[in-house]
Amino acid sequence: DAGVIQSPRHEVTEMGQEVTLRCKPISGHDYLFWYRQTMMRGLELLIYFNNNVPIDDSGMPEDRFSAKMPNASFSTLKIQPSEPRDSAVYFCASSWGALSAPIYNEQFFGPGTRLTVL
Amino acid sequence: AQRVTQPEKLLSVFKGAPVELKCNYSYSGSPELFWYVQYSRQRLQLLLRHISRESIKGFTADLNKGETSFHLKKPFAQEEDSAMYYCALSSLMNTGFQKLVFGTGTRLLVSP
Repeated sequence: DAGVIQSPRHEVTEMGQEVTLRCKPISGHDYLFWYRQTMMRGLELLIYFNNNVPIDDSGMPEDRFSAKMPNASFSTLKIQPSEPRDSAVYFCASSWGALSAPIYNEQFFGPGTRLTVL
Repeated sequence: AQRVTQPEKLLSVFKGAPVELKCNYSYSGSPELFWYVQYSRQRLQLLLRHISRESIKGFTADLNKGETSFHLKKPFAQEEDSAMYYCALSSLMNTGFQKLVFGTGTRLLVSP
């Protein structure tokens, strides 16, 4: 397994443009997470899905951000319109977990997408 | 609210010196704590979890509920330990789902 796959690895865009980040989780994993990493705030959880259903999107900073998971093997994070303060590294992670067990299951991270908004 | 604090952004030590990466947490429930590591040009990965009481690559971390700390320690640092280290808290939500809260990270630099 190639692990969690993210594309693109780097994205440079101009303010106001739409940006779409893509993620393919590890096959069989039923949780998918989107994180944002910045120097000031570290790693922040934006949203996560269980069985393709968004469970908690309280970390999504603004309405400009949206995420979808149309099927078990694909998710997107979209920013429209993008702003310079959105510049960060965006990570996708996936894990397998039992629905009701308070047992933590290791999250496996993708390589990240470095987004620069000019 | 749950929170993880890593007070040091950068920790610089010499090879062979002891290392302690500090982590404090705030959580009203029973905490599940972890250390994640990101080596240069590699993915963020789990280093160890407190519940396993394990030693990985010579690192250990003890949960101290009285001090609400989970410091990461290694008696003799190696150059290959240079990386970004994140402390994380697993927060059980009332929906039954787990949410991972990360600290801001500490960069460890081990010099020869």
